Amino acid sequence: ETGVTQSPTHLIKTRGQQVTLRCSSQSGHNTVSWYQQALGQGPQFIFQYYREEENGRGNFPPRFSGLQFPNYSSELNVNALELDDSALYLCASSPWGKTQYFGPGTRLLVL
Amino acid sequence: GQQLNQSPQSMFIQEGEDVSMNCTSSSIFNTWLWYKQDPGEGPVLLIALYKAGELTSNGRLTAQFGITRKDSFLNISASIPSDVGIYFCAGQEDSGGGADGLTFGKGTHLIIQP
Repeated sequence: ETGVTQSPTHLIKTRGQQVTLRCSSQSGHNTVSWYQQALGQGPQFIFQYYREEENGRGNFPPRFSGLQFPNYSSELNVNALELDDSALYLCASSPWGKTQYFGPGTRLLVL
Repeated sequence: GQQLNQSPQSMFIQEGEDVSMNCTSSSIFNTWLWYKQDPGEGPVLLIALYKAGELTSNGRLTAQFGITRKDSFLNISASIPSDVGIYFCAGQEDSGGGADGLTFGKGTHLIIQP
């Protein structure tokens, strides 16, 4: 059974650019959640996708958006990147209503 | 964003010692989770707690869901070198994987001296 995978592993962007991060959920999991983890902090909930729709959102601006595809994989898009967007972005998948399992993350550096 | 109060922030212990860390919140949670994160990796689930007062073990790890639903603790017995890492508590207001997402603590950094 394949766990949660994310791509790319690392990414460097400049301020104002746009970025897309990708996540493949674990087999049998139909729900995907995205988190931002700044250095030295715990992960912060960005949003969750279920049945290809945003199902809940944390305290993040609209320039953070996402998609979920019929195979339950997901994308996180961030527009107009700011320096403070530099962080580890984590994807977690779960069956609906069950415990979340995390991928290895994508480390984004904004210069 | 909201974070749970997790303590201690870091622990320096000798191999073989027992470890205890806890997490408190001003909000009630219906689920408490404990994760471990190694450098460059995502959090790995250690223990999940779904009922107030529940005490659950996973090998040398034991965790409890506080009776008030506002706190949880994690104990590690007889620590070994591979226990090194950052431990996070996480709470969820829904009973399952609902739309609120997980709220995390800032982590307890465990360092073991041989």
